Amino acid sequence: GENVEQHPSTLSVQEGDSAVIKCTYSDSASNYFPWYKQELGKRPQLIIDIRSNVGEKKDQRIAVTLNKTAKHFSLHITETQPEDSAVYFCAAMGSNYKLTFGKGTLLTVNP
Amino acid sequence: DTEVTQTPKHLVMGMTNKKSLKCEQHMGHRAMYWYKQKAKKPPELMFVYSYEKLSINESVPSRFSPECPNSSLLNLHLHALQPEDSALYLCASSQHSTGGTEAFFGQGTRLTVV
Repeated sequence: GENVEQHPSTLSVQEGDSAVIKCTYSDSASNYFPWYKQELGKRPQLIIDIRSNVGEKKDQRIAVTLNKTAKHFSLHITETQPEDSAVYFCAAMGSNYKLTFGKGTLLTVNP
Repeated sequence: DTEVTQTPKHLVMGMTNKKSLKCEQHMGHRAMYWYKQKAKKPPELMFVYSYEKLSINESVPSRFSPECPNSSLLNLHLHALQPEDSALYLCASSQHSTGGTEAFFGQGTRLTVV
């Protein structure tokens, strides 16, 4: 089955700096890669996603890149703000609609 | 309506009780999911329903019994649970698409087994 590795497990940055979170996946059949943000006590919420036919996608301060050959994808957050502090999960979905999550990254943005 | 609604929000049950968790969506999604999430861990897939039929069971113990009565509803029946089953139970739904689509999560049911 699919295995998703996520690094780092914790990340602390100063407000205004950039944050990068990296994930690798094992199943070459996976074709959809969402990123979720989960604040304490709340549901996971999609912040950006990318499909296997695209190499990069950007939405304001958030961007995701995908390297299918290397089977890795990354989340980039620029100009970080304290409200970006949360746990971020990467995930990979294959053709069976099974979504496999990475272990998560606790991002802390210090004012 | 882009909401997945779960009830109840909180549930405390004894090990001999029978209870049910409910999930509802009106987005026309034909894939629905149950996830279990322990503190400081990622959501862990339990079941996937595709067109109201169970398509994936991740070797979940039989004390958890899913049910999909129609395309909008998903239930999780609980019986004889153990304290280690205490967790946040998340329901999610998504469209059917070979390219993969966003899974919308409900706010979850926080379950405590005593």
